[in-house]
Amino acid sequence: GAGVSQTPSNKVTEKGKYVELRCDPISGHTALYWYRQSLGQGPEFLIYFQGTGAADDSGLPNDRFFAVRPEGSVSTLKIQRTERGDSAVYLCASSRTGAGANVLTFGAGSRLTVL
Amino acid sequence: SQQGEEDPQALSIQEGENATMNCSYKTSINNLQWYRQNSGRGLVHLILIRSNEREKHSGRLRVTLDTSKKSSSLLITASRAADTASYFCATDARSGSRLTFGEGTQLTVNP
Repeated sequence: GAGVSQTPSNKVTEKGKYVELRCDPISGHTALYWYRQSLGQGPEFLIYFQGTGAADDSGLPNDRFFAVRPEGSVSTLKIQRTERGDSAVYLCASSRTGAGANVLTFGAGSRLTVL
Repeated sequence: SQQGEEDPQALSIQEGENATMNCSYKTSINNLQWYRQNSGRGLVHLILIRSNEREKHSGRLRVTLDTSKKSSSLLITASRAADTASYFCATDARSGSRLTFGEGTQLTVNP
């Protein structure tokens, strides 16, 4: 597609539930990134894929968070046993290559609210 | 932890004035980038400056980089109300590594 697409745009869930957030990157972009952003803060790095593999997952806060990119295109961020502190906007970005100057194109984000 | 720290946290100016935002970082970098975010939207890339560059221009934007002081500044000249947004600096430690963002400066340009 023309841009990075994220679905859903808004998700409200209850504490303890499982959530999946989807990211469809720009066609041909090999690198894909997940960030989360709380109100008034900068984006916080979660995980970065180069192709199908996670090149850096050091930002995932704990083992409730997991992300996949099985075919090197669409990625899904999965959050188990959600907690109220998981509420944030989850941003996905893609770039043409993970090497060199990685200029990111961001999606509009998925706003997650955990009640 | 955040690599970049912007200051000021918030800046309010009149249309036509220049806006200067600063970013400091802690470790050595490969590139430094500036992004803009309108309220409720994703971030948009503005400009990239490499670690061996000192100044770069793009339209009304001017970016400087001082690697000895580990700092960068973003200057927006002749500001417009449409420039109202949050501005973030982002650094990567080496080619192909993740981008780390600062906390941002909220710029308000009053018409």
